[in-house]
Amino acid sequence: IAGITQAPTSQILAAGRRMTLRCTQDMRHNAMYWYRQDLGLGLRLIHYSNTAGTTGKGEVPDGYSVSRANTDDFPLTLASAVPSQTSVYFCASSDEREGSDTQYFGPGTRLTVL
Amino acid sequence: GQNIDQPTEMTATEGAIVQINCTYQTSGFNGLFWYQQHAGEAPTFLSYNVLDGLEEKGRFSSFLSRSKGYSYLLLKELQMKDSASYLCAVRDGDYKLSFGAGTTVTVRA
Repeated sequence: IAGITQAPTSQILAAGRRMTLRCTQDMRHNAMYWYRQDLGLGLRLIHYSNTAGTTGKGEVPDGYSVSRANTDDFPLTLASAVPSQTSVYFCASSDEREGSDTQYFGPGTRLTVL
Repeated sequence: GQNIDQPTEMTATEGAIVQINCTYQTSGFNGLFWYQQHAGEAPTFLSYNVLDGLEEKGRFSSFLSRSKGYSYLLLKELQMKDSASYLCAVRDGDYKLSFGAGTTVTVRA
């Protein structure tokens, strides 16, 4: 089934630990995105990639890094987790060849940093 | 920064109509999206407006006025399964999506 997958579904992490959230899409979309969703704040863009090999910073990039080695995968790494990074993380993808360039979201990863 | 406002909560009766308003102030404009998000799930795409006017898709319609920085999502013939959060998102001049905080709609029998 075509779409976006994320792993893990949920994770509890000790502060100071390193963590990589995985995102894979099989729709051959050129662009991919990472958002975090916090109660009352809505979705906020962390990092994005317009095409394989390129990445850019979003609204809240501090403490996070990404890479885009190929079209399908877009991992998000927390080098040293802090409690303020407790959130639900959504990966999304879009294809500029589609007229509206609509973003489609993965199922999310619920991360708790203690 | 971008500013997108929508009501926090709305309640309506099954079979009724609900209108969710969204106002925005962004640096440039390249389209407005509405997403539906059920509790604990991912946002799913509902509608897209880039030109002024009404877009109708079954029970859901979305309206845009670019000059007023205003959109609404109209949900008709409400069903219990429509209870969800509805997110307004604007694509700005840098082609990035900014989201409102979402409107939680509760449908009562």
